[in-house]
Amino acid sequence: DAKTTQPPSMDCAEGRAANLPCNHSTISGNEYVYWYRQIHSQGPQYIIHGLKNNETNEMASLIITEDRKSSTLILPHATLRDTAVYYCIVRVVGRDDKIIFGKGTRLHILP
Amino acid sequence: GAGVSQSPRYKVAKRGQDVALRCDPISGHVSLFWYQQALGQGPEFLTYFQNEAQLDKSGLPSDRFFAERPEGSVSTLKIQRTQQEDSAVYLCASSSRQGADGNQPQHFGDGTRLSIL
Repeated sequence: DAKTTQPPSMDCAEGRAANLPCNHSTISGNEYVYWYRQIHSQGPQYIIHGLKNNETNEMASLIITEDRKSSTLILPHATLRDTAVYYCIVRVVGRDDKIIFGKGTRLHILP
Repeated sequence: GAGVSQSPRYKVAKRGQDVALRCDPISGHVSLFWYQQALGQGPEFLTYFQNEAQLDKSGLPSDRFFAERPEGSVSTLKIQRTQQEDSAVYLCASSSRQGADGNQPQHFGDGTRLSIL
């Protein structure tokens, strides 16, 4: 079973920041938080990952709470092309292992 | 391109036929994964290779499913005597060797959409 909880769907206005929450209250100390997204008819796309510090790359920012029990993926200026299903995943550090996907959050960007 | 390539993009087969799905991982990637994605669901793990060794096949739903990666590069997922419930998108992903800083992300292809009539 997936070890994360996400809202099934969210809306965001184009140009605004999209903040996608994820609960991972049972996360272990050796588990990273990963985010992937899947645009319609495409394979999942890696976005970002982190252990305990906040992370930022060209796609998004990842904010992890101090207790690591939840996180937020931030798309700073959402565009219509960001419409996708977003998956929050936890994975063990240093282990090359399968990804267990949950149902994710379906993000709709509204024009 | 430099990404994971899967072929065919679409496959239609009659129930009972055998099918073979191909995955070309990113060059040099040691690890290769196959996933199955039913309509409206997240991908589900099928099997995992490290080079040519199949280290985990716990997700294969039945003995009709078989995967191979004989030279540690291209992989083929074969489904024998297909059934309607095999209809799904089959995704392939690859990743490079684990680094000192932990996990390497998996890079996915766009999948093969299999329809069994």
